[in-house]
Amino acid sequence: AQSVTQLGSHVSVSEGALVLLRCNYSSSVPPYLFWYVQYPNQGLQLLLKYTSAATLVKGINGFEAEFKKSETSFHLTKPSAHMSDAAEYFCAVSRNQGGKLIFGQGTELSVKP
Amino acid sequence: ETGVTQTPRHLVMGMTNKKSLKCEQHLGHNAMYWYKQSAKKPLELMFVYNFKEQTENNSVPSRFSPECPNSSHLFLHLHTLQPEDSALYLCASSQDPSVYSYEQYFGPGTRLTVT
Repeated sequence: AQSVTQLGSHVSVSEGALVLLRCNYSSSVPPYLFWYVQYPNQGLQLLLKYTSAATLVKGINGFEAEFKKSETSFHLTKPSAHMSDAAEYFCAVSRNQGGKLIFGQGTELSVKP
Repeated sequence: ETGVTQTPRHLVMGMTNKKSLKCEQHLGHNAMYWYKQSAKKPLELMFVYNFKEQTENNSVPSRFSPECPNSSHLFLHLHTLQPEDSALYLCASSQDPSVYSYEQYFGPGTRLTVT
């Protein structure tokens, strides 16, 4: 069965600092991996996705993620945090049947001025 | 309207009420989903519809009754809910659920409070 683990339910960084949100997956087949962001009182918005074309994936708002098969990881990074990045971030893996998504528990990102 | 819309955005209902949540997607997708998002818990997939046919019911209590009259509209009919059903209900759509690389597009959600 596929699963996703997000390390750290809450991450706090200073404005301008590096953002690193961790995601590890478990999958018996090559996975498709996604990062979504949820701003307060809104739905989920796709940041980026990995579909095996390239291991380094660039997304919206300056975020990127690197797929590392040997580490079963898909960590999300951004070189310089902005106040507007404060939100909850979800990593998800696509199941091998039906295209349904398995979500991690989410990481809340706070950005301090 | 663009993307996925949901109405109402907020709903307060008593345990004996009957209400419905509505979702509409303007993306030409074939699949639609209902999720429940409770505080401190992962998103829970409730139902999946593909070309109007229900393809998954994730052991959801019968007090939640979905309806999908066409590929663009999805409803969630609610009756005799419990306080623990209070949550954010999210609707999503995707192009084809059999293609695992297709992402899902989410609506803004309905914040439901059961009193």
